[in-house]
Amino acid sequence: DSGVTQTPKHLITATGQRVTLRCSPRSGDLSVYWYQQSLDQGLQFLIQYYNGEERAKGNILERFSAQQFPDLHSELNLSSLELGDSALYFCASSDEGIYNEQFFGPGTRLTVL
Amino acid sequence: GEDVEQSLFLSVREGDSSVINCTYTDSSSTYLYWYKQEPGAGLQLLTYIFSNMDMKQDQRLTVLLNKKDKHLSLRIADTQTGDSAIYFCAHGGGYNKLIFGAGTRLAVHP
Repeated sequence: DSGVTQTPKHLITATGQRVTLRCSPRSGDLSVYWYQQSLDQGLQFLIQYYNGEERAKGNILERFSAQQFPDLHSELNLSSLELGDSALYFCASSDEGIYNEQFFGPGTRLTVL
Repeated sequence: GEDVEQSLFLSVREGDSSVINCTYTDSSSTYLYWYKQEPGAGLQLLTYIFSNMDMKQDQRLTVLLNKKDKHLSLRIADTQTGDSAIYFCAHGGGYNKLIFGAGTRLAVHP
């Protein structure tokens, strides 16, 4: 158990819909990262938050947004969903120590029909 | 660029050594990592190596880093069926984000 929790585990929705994925980092970790794992794109960095502020953006679509709340949990919002958004979405957290180990949650599997 | 390349599949016999290779293009990372993903689970850090090191040993795991060739390898000694998983090579990008390879699926057979 990494200490990072993600809800829901599975999500099935239709094209055009909007969903919210939730992540609770390990206790004390200020950094939260979101990654997308899909068959065609592999594991890709989407966005990072540090103590409530957006710090880095990767290959995140404009239809996607995220935020980190004062209690450090984070949400990833995906809107106008397309079939190609079907993927595993991982959240990871880190205390940004010397070698920056990132602890991954179990992921949310999103299926867009 | 930030590309990380790995072979996609490796099959070994139980008890043999496994060697998973990775090449990367960005040489500015301070650390390089190996993550393991078991079926239905998230990623777990297996080991890491500081970019100034050539080798790191951790029980059955040996990491070799050739900075000149930008080549990283992970050797698993005495491979067991429980080692069957997908192994990801990664390096740190800006602001500590991780850049992953496509992953190597390791299959261990009796």
